[in-house]
Amino acid sequence: HSALTQPASVSGSPGQSITISCTGTGSDFNYYYVSWYQKHPGKAPKVMIYEVTNRPSGVSKRFSGSKSGNTASLTISGLQAEDEADYYCSSYTFTNTLVFGGGTKLTVL
Amino acid sequence: QVQLQESGPGLVKPSETLSLTCSVSGGSITTYYWSWIRQPPGKALEWIGYINYLGSTDYNPSLKSRVTISRDTSKNQFSLNLSSVTAADTAVYYCARDRGPHSYFDWWGQGTLVTVSS
Repeated sequence: HSALTQPASVSGSPGQSITISCTGTGSDFNYYYVSWYQKHPGKAPKVMIYEVTNRPSGVSKRFSGSKSGNTASLTISGLQAEDEADYYCSSYTFTNTLVFGGGTKLTVL
Repeated sequence: QVQLQESGPGLVKPSETLSLTCSVSGGSITTYYWSWIRQPPGKALEWIGYINYLGSTDYNPSLKSRVTISRDTSKNQFSLNLSSVTAADTAVYYCARDRGPHSYFDWWGQGTLVTVSS
């Protein structure tokens, strides 16, 4: 069973930087296709990063993505109150199934 | 600006079929990929499946035996049928445009809560 594992929660103070990790089960995933979504309660998800490092038009440069081995990461710099949300990573398995991570709740202290 | 709107019953009885429709405006469903994603209360997002611009479909293996996604190009709508539902299928259901394949969801509907209960 292929899975993407994220920390349940992270926190940071305004102005600080935080990093959320997303670790896949071994060689199951094509890590080139990692995306990150921000989800506020009661709202639809919003893509923040796609293909590991790419930022869609309109997304703040404070959001960046990276990858090392089977772990992808989302870094948010200059933390702001509006960044408080749930964050989900996603990736495709080599059998073309899209899998989401379990989600990480970001708290801005 | 692409807009998606889910519609369908908010309450479905166990063992029955959940049916939802996604109406799309500002873009044609004969382009790109169009997916259904759900989020059970307090749980993570789960991809259900897609129908693409050719009308081809692919489903999450964990749901494949119960899922059908279809489309009506004349109405610019695509639909989800999930059969033999149980309480575990209670979730907010989203439709979304996927720039696919192997891409990301750039436009989403607002989501609709479907509760499975007798």
